[in-house]
Amino acid sequence: DAGVTQSPTHLIKTRGQQVTLRCSPKSGHDTVSWYQQALGQEPQFIFQYYEEEERQRGNFPDRFSGHQFPNYSSELNVNALLLGDSALYLCASSLGDIQYFGAGTRLSVL
Amino acid sequence: AQSVTQLDSQVPVFEEAPVELRCNYSSSVSVYLFWYVQYPNQGLQLLLKYLSGSTLVKGINGFEAEFNKSQTSFHLRKPSVHISDTAEYFCAVSPNRDDKIIFGKGTRLHILP
Repeated sequence: DAGVTQSPTHLIKTRGQQVTLRCSPKSGHDTVSWYQQALGQEPQFIFQYYEEEERQRGNFPDRFSGHQFPNYSSELNVNALLLGDSALYLCASSLGDIQYFGAGTRLSVL
Repeated sequence: AQSVTQLDSQVPVFEEAPVELRCNYSSSVSVYLFWYVQYPNQGLQLLLKYLSGSTLVKGINGFEAEFNKSQTSFHLRKPSVHISDTAEYFCAVSPNRDDKIIFGKGTRLHILP
């Protein structure tokens, strides 16, 4: 049984560009949450998707948006990238209970 | 608002010695508590959780934690550490099942030979 998978593992972008990160949840999980972890910091909650709708949102600007597909997989989109968006982006999936995390996508903005 | 305080940013300990990583939380309502571990260049792995019931929670890799409501603490312990336990440990709280998780700033565990 595959766990939470994220792609790509690493990504380099230039300031002002747009990026899309992908997440496939653990089998049977219907909820996906996204977190940003800057270097040396704790993860910060971005938003959570359930039944293809954004259910909760953390304190992140509208440049951060997401989507959940009927198969429960999810995308995180970030527009107009800033240097400060450089971080490890973690996806977690769940089924009304515990959140299980993927290995993350490391985004570097130059 | 809920918050988590990890009292030590780094904890050095000799191999095979016991360790305690301290965590205090702030909340006016019932919470769910977690400890996650992050090995270098990896994602987060759930060590253990407290949702309800017994206040002593056993997790993976020989770790355990005790929920103390009166002291609002959820300290993590292991009786004998190994070099493979070198990692960052995050205490976390959530207001409800499957709700957003609020993390503490982490404690880096250094295992000394």
